[in-house]
Amino acid sequence: DVKVTQSSRYLVKRTGEKVFLECVQDMDHENMFWYRQDPGLGLRLIYFSYDVKMKEKGDIPEGYSVSREKKERFSLILESASTNQTSMYLCASSRPGQVYNEQFFGPGTRLTVL
Amino acid sequence: QQQVKQSPQSLIVQKGGISIINCAYENTAFDYFPWYQQFPGKGPALLIAIRPDVSEKKEGRFTISFNKSAKQFSLHIMDSQPGDSATYFCAARATGNQFYFGTGTSLTVIP
Repeated sequence: DVKVTQSSRYLVKRTGEKVFLECVQDMDHENMFWYRQDPGLGLRLIYFSYDVKMKEKGDIPEGYSVSREKKERFSLILESASTNQTSMYLCASSRPGQVYNEQFFGPGTRLTVL
Repeated sequence: QQQVKQSPQSLIVQKGGISIINCAYENTAFDYFPWYQQFPGKGPALLIAIRPDVSEKKEGRFTISFNKSAKQFSLHIMDSQPGDSATYFCAARATGNQFYFGTGTSLTVIP
């Protein structure tokens, strides 16, 4: 059974804190993604990675960075959390090379920044 | 700017009825159109998907209708059940495996 896990389901941080969100997949997928989900805005891509140590900006990368040191792990970093980064964060992974590739999502981390 | 426009934002349907969710796009380079289903507390999961060279795809009670010339596609849920109550997202894939998602539709099926 394929699985994408995220380190926390709920997280509360204060403005200015550095925040790490961790994602691990056990499917040996090359592609990994970070989205944020907000009501009325759907899922918006923050960053993605095609391989270890590779990263690409998505649509809303400002205020975020990522790290991928191992194939199975993709971390999202908020260098200095702000209240407008309060959101649901979803990690996903997929296998490249397939024409019609499915994205597998984790359960999400609901981050609140006070 | 939203690459994939989805409507309605919310939908209430009686059990046994047909649920219809619509999406539209502008980018003709999109080459794959999946629908994802999300239950509360869970991440989205792939429900059904279609290629642009096909006008319809059916899997059980779920059907995608695709109109390439109009750049529109829709999800039809036949014989809707309370267990179908969830949020549905349409999506479109651009080159390089990047997906653009719609804003989501919250479906409630009333028993």
